Amino acid sequence: EAQVTQNPRYLITVTGKKLTVTCSQNMNHEYMSWYRQDPGLGLRQIYYSMNVEVTDKGDVPEGYKVSRKEKRNFPLILESPSPNQTSLYFCASSFPGAQETQYFGPGTRLLVL
Amino acid sequence: AQKVTQAQTEISVVEKEDVTLDCVYETRDTTYYLFWYKQPPSGELVFLIRRNSFDEQNEISGRYSWNFQKSTSSFNFTITASQVVDSAVYFCALSPHSTGANSKLTFGKGITLSVRP
Repeated sequence: EAQVTQNPRYLITVTGKKLTVTCSQNMNHEYMSWYRQDPGLGLRQIYYSMNVEVTDKGDVPEGYKVSRKEKRNFPLILESPSPNQTSLYFCASSFPGAQETQYFGPGTRLLVL
Repeated sequence: AQKVTQAQTEISVVEKEDVTLDCVYETRDTTYYLFWYKQPPSGELVFLIRRNSFDEQNEISGRYSWNFQKSTSSFNFTITASQVVDSAVYFCALSPHSTGANSKLTFGKGITLSVRP
């Protein structure tokens, strides 16, 4: 089954404790992206990757890191989480190009205390 | 810069009513793509439709229909004979051609639709 998976689905952590949210897709998509969803703000892009070892900032990259060592995986790293990073995070993947439909993972709900 | 406006924040209807969700967008590109996604209470994002700016034909899929009007920069979504299972947050999104290989979606803030039995 074609899908984007994220782990963990739910996470409660404390300020400053490094964490990683994993994202994996099995559709051989070159393009992967992270979004965060906040009430009243919709979804905003954090980082994206066009292919292995190619990443770039989205609209709200501060406080986040990413890596793309393999085509199927695109982890999101919070080196020192803060309460304002409490959010619902989505990973997405697609073939490159504005016309391509992005397929989203199930979401990771993060609470930073 | 591109922008998607979903002016309605919450809509409540009774089952079997028709409901239209509005979406207005701004972009300087002549080629762009519009999307609708559904987010049910379970939280996942479900793709509903993609529309190419070249194609202004309306589309119907079962109880869902979409009205794309380039002249008013609108891409409205109508649910006919709504059902309780339609209760969700609906997002309109824009992917401008000028982003090139970056397929970044610009989302509206979403419309929460509640369908009461």
